[in-house]
Amino acid sequence: KQEVTQIPAALSVPEGENLVLNCSFTDSAIYNLQWFRQDPGKGLTSLLLIQSSQREQTSGRLNASLDKSSGRSTLYIAASQPGDSATYLCAVRLGGGWDMRFGAGTRLTVKP
Amino acid sequence: DTAVSQTPKYLVTQMGNDKSIKCEQNLGHDTMYWYKQDSKKFLKIMFSYNNKELIINETVPNRFSPKSPDKAHLNLHINSLELGDSAVYFCASSHGQGKTDTQYFGPGTRLTVL
Repeated sequence: KQEVTQIPAALSVPEGENLVLNCSFTDSAIYNLQWFRQDPGKGLTSLLLIQSSQREQTSGRLNASLDKSSGRSTLYIAASQPGDSATYLCAVRLGGGWDMRFGAGTRLTVKP
Repeated sequence: DTAVSQTPKYLVTQMGNDKSIKCEQNLGHDTMYWYKQDSKKFLKIMFSYNNKELIINETVPNRFSPKSPDKAHLNLHINSLELGDSAVYFCASSHGQGKTDTQYFGPGTRLTVL
C-alpha cells in the first residue's frame, strides 16, 4: 500500500531564505506527483505537477524534483516571502491513474 | 470566477440526519472527485466520476452516495450521519486521467456532526 511521508511537519524560516521540503513515497509505481499549497480554511492550490517520466518542474521561485527510483521528491522555494506561509502537500497518483495518496503536509512559516 | 465551488462552507448537524454537499466546476472538466480530509490532514479519495460514471469507490460506507446531475456537478449525499463523519470534504476536478491532469480543488466543506 502506498504511503506518503512529508518531512518536516513544520518549518519556520526568516524571510529571504531558500528552503527545501521533502516528500517520500513507498511505491515507485506512480503515475505522477503533485505539489499543492493549502491556506487556512481554503482549498488546495496546485503548484507543480511532475509526470513519472520527468525529473523536475519549475514555476517562478519554485522547483520540484522527482526521483522515482528512490521514492523521493523535493520542493525547493527560493528567496522565501511571508506570503509563502502555508501548508504544502505532496500527492502521488497511483499507477492505475485514479487513486491519489496525499502526505500530511509541511506547515511553513516565513517570518518577516 | 471560481473554478471549483462547494456549498456550504460549514455544515453543523445532529447525528442521524441526512445532508448534502454541492460541488460545481466551470472548467469544462470531464472528471470530478470527492476527498475526505481527516484531522491529521490526510486526504483520502472517496469517489471519482468521469462522464457521469463512477470510476472508483474506495472503502466508503454506503451511507455516502455521489450524485451527478450533469458533467459540471458532483454532489455528495450522506445518510444517517455519524460522529466519525466529521471532517473537511474537498471536491476536485480534472480534465481527465491523462498525463497532464492537474487537479483543481474547491475550498472545502467543514462538516461537524454533534
